[in-house]
Amino acid sequence: AQRVTQPEKLLSVFKGAPVELKCNYSYSGSPELFWYVQYSRQRLQLLLRHISRESIKGFTADLNKGETSFHLKKPFAQEEDSAMYYCALKDRGSTLGRLYFGRGTQLTVWP
Amino acid sequence: DVKVTQSSRYLVKRTGEKVFLECVQDMDHENMFWYRQDPGLGLRLIYFSYDVKMKEKGDIPEGYSVSREKKERFSLILESASTNQTSMYLCASSTRTAALRTDTQYFGPGTRLTVL
Repeated sequence: AQRVTQPEKLLSVFKGAPVELKCNYSYSGSPELFWYVQYSRQRLQLLLRHISRESIKGFTADLNKGETSFHLKKPFAQEEDSAMYYCALKDRGSTLGRLYFGRGTQLTVWP
Repeated sequence: DVKVTQSSRYLVKRTGEKVFLECVQDMDHENMFWYRQDPGLGLRLIYFSYDVKMKEKGDIPEGYSVSREKKERFSLILESASTNQTSMYLCASSTRTAALRTDTQYFGPGTRLTVL
């Protein structure tokens, strides 16, 4: 059963506009949620994790357990934010480190 | 800096060939993973390993096998390559040391495999 859903395959915004990449999850245990990003011709890398409650490159994401969501937001998108974004989930109780990834959202920020 | 390397960036093989994809990490990580990345399907886990000689099936293990003889090296094997295994293959590693409390997976650059 798919545990992580990213409903938008493609998302386009203009520079300076707010952007929100949606992520919903279904998991009965205690999840940890992450956002990974892959810029063009670069490796997939961690962007942020919910447990750190940090803002990276202007992006934030709040875990909403009631709505089982972990949407990624940025108030003013930049062209360099154009990339593929993956939401991922991990069982907090597991030390094996296995992640469950969504299908990804390709974000394009137009000038 | 964590370094995960994969043996090839591009590989072209013929149907029926045996294919080896190698991954090496230099951070003494216990966990290693093999994914395939396809447009519209995202990252799908093929196999992972949490220790030397240990392996666990992921979501799409059919047609693949793995080998972990040394901690730093994790190999993905396609016993008899087929055209539907044409894909981008990503290797990743992570630690499972509880004290470090880190879940970050570090990815290699990927191997784009084409099976003709």
